[in-house]
Amino acid sequence: NAGVMQNPRHLVRRRGQEARLRCSPMKGHSHVYWYRQLPEEGLKFMVYLQKENIIDESGMPKERFSAEFPKEGPSILRIQQVVRGDSAAYFCASSLPANYGYTFGSGTRLTVV
Amino acid sequence: RKEVEQDPGPFNVPEGATVAFNCTYSNSASQSFFWYRQDCRKEPKLLMSVYSSGNEDGRFTAQLNRASQYISLLIRDSKLSDSATYLCVVSSNTGNQFYFGTGTSLTVIP
Repeated sequence: NAGVMQNPRHLVRRRGQEARLRCSPMKGHSHVYWYRQLPEEGLKFMVYLQKENIIDESGMPKERFSAEFPKEGPSILRIQQVVRGDSAAYFCASSLPANYGYTFGSGTRLTVV
Repeated sequence: RKEVEQDPGPFNVPEGATVAFNCTYSNSASQSFFWYRQDCRKEPKLLMSVYSSGNEDGRFTAQLNRASQYISLLIRDSKLSDSATYLCVVSSNTGNQFYFGTGTSLTVIP
């Protein structure tokens, strides 16, 4: 009965490279959310997806960031041409209906050098 | 104005003490409210939902005051294992996202 699985746990990228973060929701959950947590700051919403649909991407930066949740396979958060300011912990969460509270994955800690 | 505001603390309390955390939110249309707990460098974990009638889970009691847009968490008989950051969480009016406070740090001292 695996929870929300995120990989990799740690990711190091040089400036200008691409980062791909993966998230497999809990079994039976069809809602996926991505949040970013900068050092000493709270979690900030990025995007909410259901299978093959982006429901709310109001928290996503307009450039370089994209997310998908295909019919088969994990949800992917993709950051192109990473910069130092992208260094953060990226948490994925999944849920049944949106107001039942999330279950979070262990996060991916991205470090841009 | 931030969607959710919490006193960051830190709160340092002895074992066995009672401690209360407060949180205010700005969106009167929010429908769902939660307290999460986050240990250092770990993911947030759901502690409890918060209802207008108040709810209790063992040593933890949560209250919601919609008129004042205020949420509280009371921890009785603090244990060392309660040391963590406690996050106040409020849904958007669409329910599409949750707003997280920056957290209140608690350290329970032996």
